[in-house]
Amino acid sequence: NAGVTQTPKFRILKIGQSMTLQCTQDMNHNYMYWYRQDPGMGLKLIYYSVGAGITDKGEVPNGYNVSRSTTEDFPLRLELAAPSQTSVYFCASSYGDEAFFGQGTRLTVV
Amino acid sequence: EDKVVQSPLSLVVHEGDTVTLNCSYEVTNFRSLLWYKQEKKAPTFLFMLTSSGIEKKSGRLSSILDKKELFSILNITATQTGDSAVYLCARSYGGATNKLIFGTGTLLAVQP
Repeated sequence: NAGVTQTPKFRILKIGQSMTLQCTQDMNHNYMYWYRQDPGMGLKLIYYSVGAGITDKGEVPNGYNVSRSTTEDFPLRLELAAPSQTSVYFCASSYGDEAFFGQGTRLTVV
Repeated sequence: EDKVVQSPLSLVVHEGDTVTLNCSYEVTNFRSLLWYKQEKKAPTFLFMLTSSGIEKKSGRLSSILDKKELFSILNITATQTGDSAVYLCARSYGGATNKLIFGTGTLLAVQP
């Protein structure tokens, strides 16, 4: 049972590079989320989606973009990586209130 | 501003101690309050609370919500080293968005 799958697990980017963090879920959940977690901090909501074709900004959306073309996939795009985007990124999905998390992507921007 | 505030930020206890973790929030129009445990990687679900005054229990862990005073507590009795983790609480907006907003977490370290 896969649940929420994120790729890659680790990535080092140079300043100004771009990349896409992939997230897919096989639970047919309508709601999907992207969070970032800085050291010693809680989770900050970047973007979320209530269903295919519908996305909205969370608490810290600047520097990121998302799309939701299918129920299963919710990729997060960084266009011009900055050191401030060094963080651990978690994707999550839910049907009701309980969210299920992927294992995270550790991103370092140098 | 819509915040979820947890206290203490960190806590060191010895095995066998009882701990109480606090979570307060600032708005009243929510659907549920959730607790998660985060060890090395992804948060794992502990409790979801929707009604005031009803305690939820799972083994040595229990939690309760006070919707009037806008807070929740998570109790862990007879702590073990395996309880060492970050404990996160989150507020669910419910409705069409179903947003989950997390607090900063409490880092619990249980020493042998």
